[in-house]
Amino acid sequence: DAGVIQSPRHEVTEMGQEVTLRCKPISGHDYLFWYRQTMMRGLELLIYFNNNVPIDDSGMPEDRFSAKMPNASFSTLKIQPSEPRDSAVYFCASSPGEFGTEAFFGQGTRLTVV
Amino acid sequence: QKEVEQNSGPLSVPEGAIASLNCTYSDRGSQSFFWYRQYSGKSPELIMFIYSNGDKEDGRFTAQLNKASQYVSLLIRDSQPSDSATYLCAVSDDKIIFGKGTRLHILP
Repeated sequence: DAGVIQSPRHEVTEMGQEVTLRCKPISGHDYLFWYRQTMMRGLELLIYFNNNVPIDDSGMPEDRFSAKMPNASFSTLKIQPSEPRDSAVYFCASSPGEFGTEAFFGQGTRLTVV
Repeated sequence: QKEVEQNSGPLSVPEGAIASLNCTYSDRGSQSFFWYRQYSGKSPELIMFIYSNGDKEDGRFTAQLNKASQYVSLLIRDSQPSDSATYLCAVSDDKIIFGKGTRLHILP
């Protein structure tokens, strides 16, 4: 398997624009996580899915953020409208179905909002 | 709010010495504990996981867990310059929560 695949790797956008980040998890993994990493706040869990169903979105910072998982092989994280404080590295990770197993990370998307 | 606390460092250790990294967590219901390594500009990668109290060894790495004290540690023996990275402690029950990480610098 190629691992968790994220796109794009880098995104530069202007404030107010819509941004969509994409993730393809490892085949057969039941859990999918979206994280945001900044120097100040570290690696924050935004939302996670189990079998395509959102389980906990309490980490989503504002209504401007939304995430979907229409099928087992694809998820999106959307920011609309984007703001400069959204600049960060966004990671997608997936995990097998067993409780407490490790998360495998994608390469991340570095988002810069100017 | 579940929290995972780590000293941000940097922790400087001479090459060949033992590096000791520590982590505390707030949720007593946590059942799985992980140490990830993250090189600058890269994604986190798993080094060790531990579920039971006590020590778990894998090569130069030893993870230690004390659930009563809500404390997890990672020991790196015979530290190498390639061990220089940020080490993230993670805790899981239904979701995986990370600490902010400790920056480790191995001095040649």
